[in-house]
Amino acid sequence: NAGVTQTPKFRVLKTGQSMTLLCAQDMNHEYMYWYRQDPGMGLRLIHYSVGEGTTAKGEVPDGYNVSRLKKQNFLLGLESAAPSQTSVYFCASSPGGAAQETQYFGPGTRLLVL
Amino acid sequence: EDKVVQSPLSLVVHEGDTVTLNCSYEVTNFRSLLWYKQEKKAPTFLFMLTSSGIEKKSGRLSSILDKKELFSILNITATQTGDSAIYLCAVYTGTASKLTFGTGTRLQVTL
Repeated sequence: NAGVTQTPKFRVLKTGQSMTLLCAQDMNHEYMYWYRQDPGMGLRLIHYSVGEGTTAKGEVPDGYNVSRLKKQNFLLGLESAAPSQTSVYFCASSPGGAAQETQYFGPGTRLLVL
Repeated sequence: EDKVVQSPLSLVVHEGDTVTLNCSYEVTNFRSLLWYKQEKKAPTFLFMLTSSGIEKKSGRLSSILDKKELFSILNITATQTGDSAIYLCAVYTGTASKLTFGTGTRLQVTL
């Protein structure tokens, strides 16, 4: 039982390049989330999903797109990376229903945009 | 706009000290308050609080919620160097099924 995993762990991009971050969970959780963490800003929600095939915007969605084609995977895409997207990205999942509050986090992806 | 404020932003204590971390919030449709510990990587879950005045306890850590005054505290007694971490407070609002996080308190425990 690996929990929540993220790929890649670290990536350097040039401005304008695109990339996809992959999050996978093996806990059969309904809800999945993407956050970014910046110094002094805490964790901010980018997008989230309350079930397979659904997505919704969080606090800071601009510049990102997501897809949840399979229940266990949640992809975060950057179509044209900008230096302001340099951050640590965390994926999380939760069971949904009565236990939806308790989110389990992946180890993070450190992204540097030059 | 939902808001969660933690204080202090950081503190340094000696091993064996007791510390109290604070979290206040202003949100609509409050459902629960959660505490997480973040060491080098992923935040790990500590407590979830939904009712006022009921203390949650796990070893040397304890937490309580005051829904009237809109705050929570996290106490750590007999601190150890392994308690060094960022402690995150988050509030869950049922409206949007999401957590709103504070900026965290960075705790450093020295020998």
